[in-house]
Amino acid sequence: AQKITQTQPGMFVQEKEAVTLDCTYDTSDPSYGLFWYKQPSSGEMIFLIYQGSYDQQNATEGRYSLNFQKARKSANLVISASQLGDSAMYFCAMRRMIYNQGGKLIFGQGTELSVKP
Amino acid sequence: GAVVSQHPSWVICKSGTSVKIECRSLDFQATTMFWYRQFPKQSLMLMATSNEGSKATYEQGVEKDKFLINHASLTLSTLTVTSAHPEDSSFYICSATQGVTPYEQYFGPGTRLTVT
Repeated sequence: AQKITQTQPGMFVQEKEAVTLDCTYDTSDPSYGLFWYKQPSSGEMIFLIYQGSYDQQNATEGRYSLNFQKARKSANLVISASQLGDSAMYFCAMRRMIYNQGGKLIFGQGTELSVKP
Repeated sequence: GAVVSQHPSWVICKSGTSVKIECRSLDFQATTMFWYRQFPKQSLMLMATSNEGSKATYEQGVEKDKFLINHASLTLSTLTVTSAHPEDSSFYICSATQGVTPYEQYFGPGTRLTVT
């Protein structure tokens, strides 16, 4: 069975500083994908970044980077130069890959990030 | 980019009535659609997976007869909450994939259901 764990219910960060949101996972599948989503108060799910289990390098997308440590089964999200608009819920998610296509997404509990001015 | 819409964006209904929520992929054909449920300050819980033309696969603990899912075409899936009760009040989100890339999962904006 797959499981995603986010142990930080809430985080605070000062504007312009970097912040790391933790995510650990458990799976017996050799091929899987890891995702981070942002959910502002409006409720929409915004895709941030993706890491495949066989990707050699850590994924980066603008101010977002994913610190992928496969042996430790962790996929932490790093947000650099935090902005007030980064205040939101952040979800880590995982899916099994079958023939290079994705199945259902399983989500972690989420971390509520608050950026202070 | 790929866009998924949901209708309505919010709905209020009386206890005992049924309500239908539509999920549409606007500019792509969705081979698979997913329905999630989210309570305030909680995570998204997968309710069911639906493939066009076949019966939905429900997650353990989800009542099939209460949450009817129909995926009649490659661009439309519907979720019907039958005989709704106040405990069914929640945020319902659909997502869709077209099975092209490993990382795609396009989410709709969600539907907020309130049962009075």
